[in-house]
Amino acid sequence: GQSLEQPSEVTAVEGAIVQINCTYQTSGFYGLSWYQQHDGGAPTFLSYNALDGLEETGRFSSFLSRSDSYGYLLLQELQMKDSASYFCAVFNNAGNMLTFGGGTRLMVKP
Amino acid sequence: DGGITQSPKYLFRKEGQNVTLSCEQNLNHDAMYWYRQDPGQGLRLIYYSQIVNDFQKGDIAEGYSVSREKKESFPLTVTSAQKNPTAFYLCASSLRHLNTEAFFGQGTRLTVV
Repeated sequence: GQSLEQPSEVTAVEGAIVQINCTYQTSGFYGLSWYQQHDGGAPTFLSYNALDGLEETGRFSSFLSRSDSYGYLLLQELQMKDSASYFCAVFNNAGNMLTFGGGTRLMVKP
Repeated sequence: DGGITQSPKYLFRKEGQNVTLSCEQNLNHDAMYWYRQDPGQGLRLIYYSQIVNDFQKGDIAEGYSVSREKKESFPLTVTSAQKNPTAFYLCASSLRHLNTEAFFGQGTRLTVV
């Protein structure tokens, strides 16, 4: 089976940096993805890591350590619009089964 | 424009009724998924399909059924056997061999009345 653990809630102030962690257990690992979801909306793709290391996309970066079954999403220069839920997700390499973590609700305060 | 479309946006069901949620994509994606999301919770996988005429159960398939007769379409039926169907349902698709990104529809909010 597959399981992903992430903190349920994180609070930060505008302009700060926040890190959202994700640990996973999966039978066959293909890659770790991150998605953002605003209240009532659809999840949207943020980033994907298949190999160890850091991937940077603008204010957002994502890190993966396959040996530790661990990754994180780093959000810099936080803005109020970043208030949303963030989900990590894994594909297994046996097929296209995409499993999500429980989500981290990020609240950005002025 | 390419995308994935779910309908209806809101759906009300009486106790004991079956209802079918529509999901259509024109992205030429092989893989499609159905997720259930309860308030403040994560996405739980109901069913997924890698190719036409084939689909597999996810973590919470009981009380649900699907079909994949066309590549573009992956409807979900919520049957009367699903005891607590009120939830937000999300459909997604992805390329089969370049599994880096899944695209989501805008969701269907199902309420049992």
